[in-house]
Amino acid sequence: DAGITQSPRHKVTETGTPVTLRCHQTENHRYMYWYRQDPGHGLRLIHYSYGVKDTDKGEVSDGYSVSRSKTEDFLLTLESATSSQTSVYFCAISESSKSEQFFGPGTRLTVL
Amino acid sequence: AQSVTQLGSHVSVSEGALVLLRCNYSSSVPPYLFWYVQYPNQGLQLLLKYTSAATLVKGINGFEAEFKKSETSFHLTKPSAHMSDAAEYFCAVSKTGSEKLVFGKGTKLTVNP
Repeated sequence: DAGITQSPRHKVTETGTPVTLRCHQTENHRYMYWYRQDPGHGLRLIHYSYGVKDTDKGEVSDGYSVSRSKTEDFLLTLESATSSQTSVYFCAISESSKSEQFFGPGTRLTVL
Repeated sequence: AQSVTQLGSHVSVSEGALVLLRCNYSSSVPPYLFWYVQYPNQGLQLLLKYTSAATLVKGINGFEAEFKKSETSFHLTKPSAHMSDAAEYFCAVSKTGSEKLVFGKGTKLTVNP
């Protein structure tokens, strides 16, 4: 398995609180991605990174920010969590834009 | 904009029967196409990918998919279902490679004994 870990694996928080999810890789891959998975919607791209400090928006980026200060870590931040952000969040990595994405185990976030 | 349609959110087959999961895509340029599988409480795993080298693509676990440009389809098949194939399957499309993948909504496959 690709060396991808996500933390925390489960989190329950309240509306209006900030939340940060962490994705850590040991593969030295250039690209990292954050997706959310919701029933009936499949996976939707939130943000992705194509290098340290280089990020771009995905399909559902509103309400989320990301940072990548080193190759191995990609952080997803919800500045003020809302109930609509209750979801399962997956991180993925790829060596290049043409190679396959490897997925982490996911983080289940519940916003009350 | 690209999009992917997976026909049937749930498919049920008997063990040993043919598995057919349907995927249609829309793309303004020749696409990259992928099938991923997700087992319960796990992340996604790549089954196979089409990158224009051959229209019939073989993947892991006995799955294969055929790219049909005239039908804008990339259906996933397996000749004989096994209980361990029970999972959710996602079709995905990209114009540029694996970057900015657009996923279908998924098809949950049930295999009955």
